[in-house]
Amino acid sequence: DQQVKQNSPSLSVQEGRISILNCDYTNSMFDYFLWYKKYPAEGPTFLISISSIKDKNEDGRFTVFLNKSAKHLSLHIVPSQPGDSAVYFCAASEMNYGGSQGNLIFGKGTKLSVKP
Amino acid sequence: NAGVTQTPKFRILKIGQSMTLQCAQDMNHNYMYWYRQDPGMGLKLIYYSVGAGITDKGEVPNGYNVSRSTTEDFPLRLELAAPSQTSVYFCASSGTGWNEQFFGPGTRLTVL
Repeated sequence: DQQVKQNSPSLSVQEGRISILNCDYTNSMFDYFLWYKKYPAEGPTFLISISSIKDKNEDGRFTVFLNKSAKHLSLHIVPSQPGDSAVYFCAASEMNYGGSQGNLIFGKGTKLSVKP
Repeated sequence: NAGVTQTPKFRILKIGQSMTLQCAQDMNHNYMYWYRQDPGMGLKLIYYSVGAGITDKGEVPNGYNVSRSTTEDFPLRLELAAPSQTSVYFCASSGTGWNEQFFGPGTRLTVL
């Protein structure tokens, strides 16, 4: 009954290449999606987000793509750097009846390793 | 700005003991949250608060209590610790709703 799924527990990429992290969701009412990055022994930090009215959002080396019909989003990191090695969490939320955004539902995370 | 701070960093409890996990933020955020993260799992919401004096249950509230007497502080209370509460606890805050939350470094709790 996971509403947000990150099916790849880990991903290994060579420095300078592209990293693609995937996330699938089941709740069609989700309309806001976020990616968080987490280093060991630290709390997650916000990376990038996208609203369901868009299909792409870019911030420097990070781009998030949203495919609503497939209920799929992906995070692209280009070029990947060793400092990007971390666990990446996908999260989603839906608008409440009151018009405010609801609580975040997190995936289990994907551990990215970028090799020098 | 210290951001979101949590104490303690680590704690071992015996079954049936109680403790309070402290959380404070200095960003004047209205929204504050408590999550737990079990090994290999995503974060699950325990309780949240949209302002001083207002708290509400999240996805996994059983065994926990919270209070929010000030904007800055949001302590989480465990009354009768159980092994199932062994987890890493994260406190977070946000200024304008649920999105773009700022997280503390976490408290690793073990109940034996």
